Amino acid sequence: EAQVTQNPRYLITVTGKKLTVTCSQNMNHEYMSWYRQDPGLGLRQIYYSMNVEVTDKGDVPEGYKVSRKEKRNFPLILESPSPNQTSLYFCASSKLTGGGPYEQYFGPGTRLTVT
Amino acid sequence: AQSVAQPEDQVNVAEGNPLTVKCTYSVSGNPYLFWYVQYPNRGLQFLLKYITGDNLVKGSYGFEAEFNKSQTSFHLKKPSALVSDSALYFCAVREAGANNLFFGTGTRLTVIP
Repeated sequence: EAQVTQNPRYLITVTGKKLTVTCSQNMNHEYMSWYRQDPGLGLRQIYYSMNVEVTDKGDVPEGYKVSRKEKRNFPLILESPSPNQTSLYFCASSKLTGGGPYEQYFGPGTRLTVT
Repeated sequence: AQSVAQPEDQVNVAEGNPLTVKCTYSVSGNPYLFWYVQYPNRGLQFLLKYITGDNLVKGSYGFEAEFNKSQTSFHLKKPSALVSDSALYFCAVREAGANNLFFGTGTRLTVIP
């Protein structure tokens, strides 16, 4: 089954404790992306990657890091989480057509709470 | 700068009636436009896209959307709403040549039996 998986699905942590949210896709997609969803703000793009070792900032990259060492994986790293990073996080992937991403496949989401 | 506006936080419609969920966008160049749906406790699912060509695009579950360049709009429509259409709907835009996407704030659609 074609899918995007994220782990963990739920995470409660404390300010300053480094964490990683994993994302993996099995569709051989070149493009992967991270979003956060907040009430009243919709989805905002954090980082995206066009291929292995190619990453770029989205709309709200501050406080986050990503890496793309393998095509299927795109982990999101919070090196020093703060309460304002409490949010619902989605990973997504897309094949590149004509050089750009089109329809994206989304993971089930990771609900992060930072206290 | 790219942006998307969904002016209605909530849309209520009776089952069997037509529904419209509004979206307007702002980009410098040509827009690529998308609609996604989110059911409770789920990730987003792709509904339809406009890239080029016919201004009326058809998508999944009987939904369609009309691209209007002069009004910079891409409203989502369905001729006859179902209770199962109740969900959160997001409009998104990507400018041609760019690789980042901008989503609207979402519209919660409730279909009343």
